[in-house]
Amino acid sequence: EAGVAQSPRYKIIEKRQSVAFWCNPISGHATLYWYQQILGQGPKLLIQFQNNGVVDDSQLPKDRFSAERLKGVDSTLKIQPAKLEDSAVYLCASSLNSNEQFFGPGTRLTVL
Amino acid sequence: QKEVEQDPGPLSVPEGAIVSLNCTYSNSAFQYFMWYRQYSRKGPELLMYTYSSGNKEDGRFTAQVDKSSKYISLFIRDSQPSDSATYLCAITGGGNKLTFGTGTQLKVEL
Repeated sequence: EAGVAQSPRYKIIEKRQSVAFWCNPISGHATLYWYQQILGQGPKLLIQFQNNGVVDDSQLPKDRFSAERLKGVDSTLKIQPAKLEDSAVYLCASSLNSNEQFFGPGTRLTVL
Repeated sequence: QKEVEQDPGPLSVPEGAIVSLNCTYSNSAFQYFMWYRQYSRKGPELLMYTYSSGNKEDGRFTAQVDKSSKYISLFIRDSQPSDSATYLCAITGGGNKLTFGTGTQLKVEL
């Protein structure tokens, strides 16, 4: 069974630029999550989708972050404009119908 | 007060040692308790999952939950260099929303 795929793996941008991350969850997993993991911290949930609907986006900085999950499969997370404090690893996870979440390798973002 | 507290370490032990990793939590509504392992530059992977007080064993790993004290532990027996990673506790009250600890960095030395 293929795992959660993410791209790109690494991205370096300057502040005020925009960036987008892509996630392909495990086939058949209805729930998709985006997390932000700052160095030395645990992952923090940004947004949770159930199929293509948003379940929880309470911790998403909506003035600069946006996410979509068209057709209930792949998802993209965008940051526009980026700030220095957005430097982190962005993790995508998916789950079928339980609390067990399967994580992708993450995208490491550096904002200069 | 953070919802989940975890000592960040780093923790360094010799090969073969018993390792004890711990988290405390503040919300008594939390019902499900997980331990994830995260290797450097990888995503977290689920190690143990339990929802009741007591012990759950899986090979060299034992997860322990004490709901009365709001305290969870992960024990690793006969630790190996391949166990060197960051261990994250994750807790949820349901609805699939996980709250993670900061992670404890473990190094098992030869």
